[in-house]
Order: sequence, then C-alpha cells, then structure tokens
Amino acid sequence: EAQVTQNPRYLITVTGKKLTVTCSQNMNHEYMSWYRQDPGLGLRQIYYSMNVEVTDKGDVPEGYKVSRKEKRNFPLILESPSPNQTSLYFCASSRRRDGGYTFGSGTRLTVV
Amino acid sequence: QKEVEQNSGPLSVPEGAIASLNCTYSDRGSQSFFWYRQYSGKSPELIMSIYSNGDKEDGRFTAQLNKASQYVSLLIRDSQPSDSATYLCAVNEDSGYALNFGKGTSLLVTP
Repeated sequence: EAQVTQNPRYLITVTGKKLTVTCSQNMNHEYMSWYRQDPGLGLRQIYYSMNVEVTDKGDVPEGYKVSRKEKRNFPLILESPSPNQTSLYFCASSRRRDGGYTFGSGTRLTVV
Repeated sequence: QKEVEQNSGPLSVPEGAIASLNCTYSDRGSQSFFWYRQYSGKSPELIMSIYSNGDKEDGRFTAQLNKASQYVSLLIRDSQPSDSATYLCAVNEDSGYALNFGKGTSLLVTP
C-alpha cells in the first residue's frame, strides 16, 4: 500500500529533551515536507526537501532541523523542544514539484 | 508567505444540496491548486487538483479556477452527511516548492 508513515503517533516530552519524529514513504517520491497544524493557524510548512541532501526552510523553521540522507526518509528533529512546539505534525510527500502531497497520519506532540 | 484565504464557516447545507466552498490567493504567479478534505483528528486527504482556468469534475466534486480573479472554488453536489469535514484550499507558490494552505472551511451536511 502506498503510504507515508510517521512515528510516533503520540509523544509527550519535557522541555529541552531532544527528539526525532521519523517519516518514511514507499512511493519513490522526490518531494517531501513537514507541516505543523495549530488551531486558528492552519497548516504551516516547516521544511521541505526536493531530493536527497536538498532541503530548504518553510515558513516556520525555527527550532527544527531535518535531514534527507535517503530518498524515502525525512526525519524531523527538535534539538531542544519548547512548549510552543506543542502541535500536530504532518509529514507529506509528492511525486511532482507542483503535485499535491500525500500526508502521513500525523504525530501529536506535547512538550511540558 | 503568500496568502490563501478561506471562510472558516461553518457552512451548513442540507443533505442532497450543493455545497460551495471558496478560496482566494495572493500569489498571482501560482499555477497549481488543490482541495483537501480533513476529518476531525485525521490527516488531510487530496480530493481535487486543478491547474488550468475553468472547471474540472470528478464524481460529485467540481473544482473551478479563475486565475485572473485569483479565485478557486469547490462544488460538492448531492452533499452527504459523510462529506461533513474541514476543506482545505492549497496553492503552490510560483517557485513550486512551497505549498501554502488556507485555514479551512468547516462543512456540516445535515440529514
């Protein structure tokens, strides 16, 4: 089944404790992206990647890092999480530069 | 960031009616437009994409694009209670890499 897989689905952590949210797609898509979704603010793009080793900042990159060492994987790293990073996070991928994204199931992160 | 605007709703329509959802965008150079459906607690699901001016139909869904007016709409014919969800409009920036979303319109289809 073609899909984008994120892990974990739910995570509660403490301020300052580094964490990684994994994302993997099995569709051989070149384009991948991370979004966060907050009430009243909608979906906002954090980072995107156009191919292996090629990434760029979205609208809200502060406090996040990404890497794209393999085509299928695009992990999101929070090196020192803070409570304002409590959010619902989605990973997404696309075959085309101007194509629609397929979204993962989401990761609900709470930072206390 | 380029703006994508939608009415938040809720938009309430009776079962069997046509639901009309609207979206405007600020980036005049945008070429790719999408409608996503998101059920509460779930991830966005792509339901329509449109790239050229005019109408595109897929089953009960019709997307309409007017680049001169910077306007995209989604019509849902014969609305069903299962269509009750939040509908997100998304627009690729002219550069093609950033996909910007509106905040969504909540649709409620009442039996």
